[in-house]
Amino acid sequence: AQKITQTQPGMFVQEKEAVTLDCTYDTSDQSYGLFWYKQPSSGEMIFLIYQGSYDEQNATEGRYSLNFQKARKSANLVISASQLGDSAMYFCAMRELQAAGNKLTFGGGTRVLVKP
Amino acid sequence: DGGITQSPKYLFRKEGQNVTLSCEQNLNHDAMYWYRQDPGQGLRLIYYSQIVNDFQKGDIAEGYSVSREKKESFPLTVTSAQKNPTAFYLCASSIAAGTSGRVEQFFGPGTRLTVL
Repeated sequence: AQKITQTQPGMFVQEKEAVTLDCTYDTSDQSYGLFWYKQPSSGEMIFLIYQGSYDEQNATEGRYSLNFQKARKSANLVISASQLGDSAMYFCAMRELQAAGNKLTFGGGTRVLVKP
Repeated sequence: DGGITQSPKYLFRKEGQNVTLSCEQNLNHDAMYWYRQDPGQGLRLIYYSQIVNDFQKGDIAEGYSVSREKKESFPLTVTSAQKNPTAFYLCASSIAAGTSGRVEQFFGPGTRLTVL
């Protein structure tokens, strides 16, 4: 079964508008962490934001915020005031803290294209 | 500057040949990882190493081998047993994973391997 599901293969967003990227996850662990990474066309992975399962507040990092709904097992990324440089693939990933090592499980990604 | 280097950026090999992908980090990280990415998909873990001279299989280790003789280096060999080796390979590193969930993985620029 998929542990991380990103249901939107691709999205268009108008420059300066906000966009929400969906991520749902499946785990029986109580302790886990959720990560979002950005992958530009050049290929490198850039860390954006982190949410711990016990964090009471939604994470925010500049224009990135995470809409964390634990009961629904969703961790949606919100990018506010989109810029042309935000055009990229975005991946949601999870680390289950009970598992050995710092292993990340990634979703299939969402491609975002920002229109001028 | 601290970071992760992967070489070469593009690699072409004939079917049936073994090939070794380089990954070097100067971040003084204990843990290192190898991921495979197929077009339009997320990353899948091949191998990871939490400490020198120790490594564990990830989700898709068949047809791959690694070594970790030095803290800075974690080369990946794609053997002739790997049935479909053409893919984008990403190396990552992190501090040792303890009980803290937020253990960010830092990624290299990747190597695109094409088997002819």
